[in-house]
Amino acid sequence: AQSVTQLDSQVPVFEEAPVELRCNYSSSVSVYLFWYVQYPNQGLQLLLKYLSGSTLVKGINGFEAEFNKSQTSFHLRKPSVHISDTAEYFCAVSEGGSYIPTFGRGTSLIVHP
Amino acid sequence: KAGVTQTPRYLIKTRGQQVTLSCSPISGHRSVSWYQQTPGQGLQFLFEYFSETQRNKGNFPGRFSGRQFSNSRSEMNVSTLELGDSALYLCASSPGLGGPNTEAFFGQGTRLTVV
Repeated sequence: AQSVTQLDSQVPVFEEAPVELRCNYSSSVSVYLFWYVQYPNQGLQLLLKYLSGSTLVKGINGFEAEFNKSQTSFHLRKPSVHISDTAEYFCAVSEGGSYIPTFGRGTSLIVHP
Repeated sequence: KAGVTQTPRYLIKTRGQQVTLSCSPISGHRSVSWYQQTPGQGLQFLFEYFSETQRNKGNFPGRFSGRQFSNSRSEMNVSTLELGDSALYLCASSPGLGGPNTEAFFGQGTRLTVV
């Protein structure tokens, strides 16, 4: 069965610094991977997704993620964060035979001025 | 293309009452999923409906129920409300075809407060 682990519940960082939010998954079959962002009192919005092909995926707002099959990871990165990136970030995984993704517990990114 | 619409946005209910939340998915999407989000438990999956049938179910008590209509709109009902049911309830829609098409499109959520 698929599962997702987001290793950090909270990541504080200063504005303009780089950031990496970690995500590991557990699955024995091919997977599809997603990162979502949630701003306060809002729903989740898709940042980027990996379905197949290039392991480096670029998303909105300058975020990118790299799929590493051997390490079963899909870490999210941004080279320079802004105050407006303060939000909750969720990693999700879906196996080939599933109809809904499994979500991690989320990582709260806090950007300080 | 209109997004996922959830109504109402905010609700305040008393313990013991029941509540019904509504979700209109993106046009053409046949799958609707419901999630409960609380600060302590994160995002928890309630159930998923596809073509008016419950296809997947999370680990919630029977007080939580749902249904889906022929136009894919979905409702979620919580009976005998408890204080612990206070949460943001999120609805997500997708084509429902699985695999690479499991990208979920979320509504803004309904904030339920039980007093």
